[in-house]
Parts: sequence; C-alpha cells; structure tokens
Amino acid sequence: QVQLQESGPGLVKPSQTLSLTCTVSGGSIISSVYYWLWFRQPAGKGLEWIGRVSSSGSTNYNPSFTSRLAISVDTSKNQFSLNLNSVTAADTAVYYCSAWNIVARFVDCWGHGTLVTVSS
Amino acid sequence: DIQMTQSPSSLSASVGDRVTITCRASQSISSYLNWYQQKPGKAPMLLIHAASSLRSGVPSRFSGSGSGTDFTLTISSLQPEDFATYHCQQSYTTPLTFGPGTKVDIK
Repeated sequence: QVQLQESGPGLVKPSQTLSLTCTVSGGSIISSVYYWLWFRQPAGKGLEWIGRVSSSGSTNYNPSFTSRLAISVDTSKNQFSLNLNSVTAADTAVYYCSAWNIVARFVDCWGHGTLVTVSS
Repeated sequence: DIQMTQSPSSLSASVGDRVTITCRASQSISSYLNWYQQKPGKAPMLLIHAASSLRSGVPSRFSGSGSGTDFTLTISSLQPEDFATYHCQQSYTTPLTFGPGTKVDIK
C-alpha cells in the first residue's frame, strides 16, 4: 500500500495562494488503480472534497473551488500538488492528500494531514 | 450536490454497548456509501465500502447496511478503541460529499 505525505507552508496570507505538495512513496503515482485526491477539514467540522488528478493529468474539481483551484501531477517526482488562490480565513483547515481506489470507489490511504492557517 | 446527513451528531455509550449510526442521502446513491473512522488528530480510516463490505483487517464487530438513501453503521459491541468520530461519504457522483460526522464518546 502506498504512503502519502503532505508538505507546504503552514501559514498563508489572505488573498495569496495556498500551495501544497503530496509525495507518494511505496509505489508509483503512475497507476491505473488510483486517482490522487485532496480533501480538507476545518477545525471541528466535517470533511470536504477539493478535487482530484489522475496520473495522466486529467482533473475533476469540486465546483465550490473551480474558479481558484489547480491540481497537477509530476510523475518524475512521484508527487501531486494543490494550488488554491485568493485564500481567506475560511480556507483555514487541515488538508489531506489521498489515494482513491478507482474501481472500488473509496479512499484507500490518506496522508497524515497538514494544518494550513490563513492569517495576516 | 448530494447532501449527506447523519444522526445522531454525537452519542455517549459504554464498552460493550451496541451502537447504531444512521446516514441519509438527499437522493438515491444505490450502494455507493463508505464509512470512515477518525480519531482526534488523525486522518480518517476506511471501515466499510459499498454500504456493507468490510475492509480487510477491520474487526467484524463493525457492519454496514442500506441502499438507496438510508444507511446504517453498527458496532455490535463497543470497544475502548472505537471511541472516535464516524463519517459517511457518498461515492455515487462528484462532488464527493460527506456527512457531518457522529462523535462516539464514553458514557
């Protein structure tokens, strides 16, 4: 089973861009088994799906984020990334990257999560 | 978007109790329903997929049932390690959506 690890700044200023990277280990990101997803969870609240990327680079975004979201994959580094621009305090959350089993339709494994705070 | 609701939002129970959590979808999602367990400060962990399929390695005291719009997660005999928050999630269509969670704590 693959392992995932998020990395990126823990503090972002309002109106700037939140950028996170997820490094996949224990397997190749070039996979016919998995899509690569991002979720987030504000403190004390429920989970929210942000979007996903395939190893070929095709994307599917939550309409709530489409206008300010980009998710990409770098197969040479076994990584995928999240860029969310024009952030506000409402974007403060723990962000999780994950591997989605395409056929079985569930999250097979999760990163540990990284807290991103939007504040000046 | 498909809205997911859960009840109760929280419950208190004792070790050995039978616990049932309900999840409802705003439209039919067939059996495309997953249950995750989340402990404080940790990522969620899959318990059940496709409404009733127990993930390999998950104790058999966990079970799921339902189809269409109404689903349940049952813990037959609550163990100390089961005190956590439980989330349902529909995988019928995007955007993927979750219920608000049910927190199970110690009575």
